[in-house]
Amino acid sequence: SQQGEEDPQALSIQEGENATMNCSYKTSINNLQWYRQNSGRGLVHLILIRSNEREKHSGRLRVTLDTSKKSSSLLITASRAADTASYFCATANQAGTALIFGKGTTLSVSS
Amino acid sequence: EPEVTQTPSHQVTQMGQEVILRCVPISNHLYFYWYRQILGQKVEFLVSFYNNEISEKSEIFDDQFSVERPDGSNFTLKIRSTKLEDSAMYFCASSDTGVWQPQHFGDGTRLSIL
Repeated sequence: SQQGEEDPQALSIQEGENATMNCSYKTSINNLQWYRQNSGRGLVHLILIRSNEREKHSGRLRVTLDTSKKSSSLLITASRAADTASYFCATANQAGTALIFGKGTTLSVSS
Repeated sequence: EPEVTQTPSHQVTQMGQEVILRCVPISNHLYFYWYRQILGQKVEFLVSFYNNEISEKSEIFDDQFSVERPDGSNFTLKIRSTKLEDSAMYFCASSDTGVWQPQHFGDGTRLSIL
């Protein structure tokens, strides 16, 4: 399989805490994307980090990429109950014709 | 903000019947995709479509599946003879420059095969 796995599979935290999710992949990449999925809804794109970038920020989101370890992490700071969702990383296949998703991390934020 | 719309939101069908899932991608997008998500599992790629032809299909996308862009706005997924294991959420997505940019997803069609 091209795509690795996110870990942890599930994460439960209190509002205000930070949440960190990790993603590993197996092949060389052009970019890596993170998506969020609220229960019963479609995926929403959060952030894209290119292979020549090491870190990227968007609001309370911080994504890092380590191409030498073939891994990425998504940090959500000062989490809110509304951040409760599943989070997926995705990379393109070698031909650039498909996006392959990991198994995701389910985040629960309680108030 | 433009969005991808999918209909119906829920489809219940008897095993062996044909189903057509419909999607209206974002109007200026050129790349279209179908994904499947079995309850509680990962999002699985089915097929990508560009310039009126399939760019890539996964091993899930067998001869029972087909896609079509019948006009300038709709993008459909047809399952010719449904099986119980086809029960899943089916998501349509579109993008303007393929997988190198964010994909925009619809809210999916829940397909239940009885």
